[in-house]
Amino acid sequence: AQSVTQLGSHVSVSEGALVLLRCNYSSSVPPYLFWYVQYPNQGLQLLLKYTSAATLVKGINGFEAEFKKSETSFHLTKPSAHMSDAAEYFCAVSDLGSGGSYIPTFGRGTSLIVHP
Amino acid sequence: KAGVTQTPRYLIKTRGQQVTLSCSPISGHRSVSWYQQTPGQGLQFLFEYFSETQRNKGNFPGRFSGRQFSNSRSEMNVSTLELGDSALYLCASRGDDNSPLHFGNGTRLTVT
Repeated sequence: AQSVTQLGSHVSVSEGALVLLRCNYSSSVPPYLFWYVQYPNQGLQLLLKYTSAATLVKGINGFEAEFKKSETSFHLTKPSAHMSDAAEYFCAVSDLGSGGSYIPTFGRGTSLIVHP
Repeated sequence: KAGVTQTPRYLIKTRGQQVTLSCSPISGHRSVSWYQQTPGQGLQFLFEYFSETQRNKGNFPGRFSGRQFSNSRSEMNVSTLELGDSALYLCASRGDDNSPLHFGNGTRLTVT
């Protein structure tokens, strides 16, 4: 079964600084990788999805992620943080379920804190 | 297009009771998945329904069950509630296996 590790349960940055949220998946290459964002009292929203078409994936709100097979990583970055980026971020990997279809397995999440 | 709708948003139940949560997927989506989110365990997969059949199941006890209707709406039931069942229950739908999940805002269940 696939597994996902998000390094750092909390990441704190200043407004305007680079955002880097780390995600590593287990060794076998999954067909899909995702980043989701969750704002307080809401469900998860898709930021971006990796489908092997390109190693650098651009998402919404200025976020992007780079797939690195050699490092089994899919880190999320944004050049300049905004206050509105403060939220919980989840990395997910598609995993083959018992029923034969792929279902996402989520990391524990990283809370992004943005200071003025 | 309307998003995934979950009702109710908040629920308070007593230990030993049972509860039913409802989810209406995005129109045209036949797959509905349920997740339990807690601070300690994160997001854990409960089960997935596709065309009224349970297609995948996570590692939860039999007290957790679900079903899907012909209009793709889904319900999740938890019987004999325990304090540890307190969580945010998220429902998500997708159009096909290659599509990402679209989540509802969840039902916050508190068991006292």
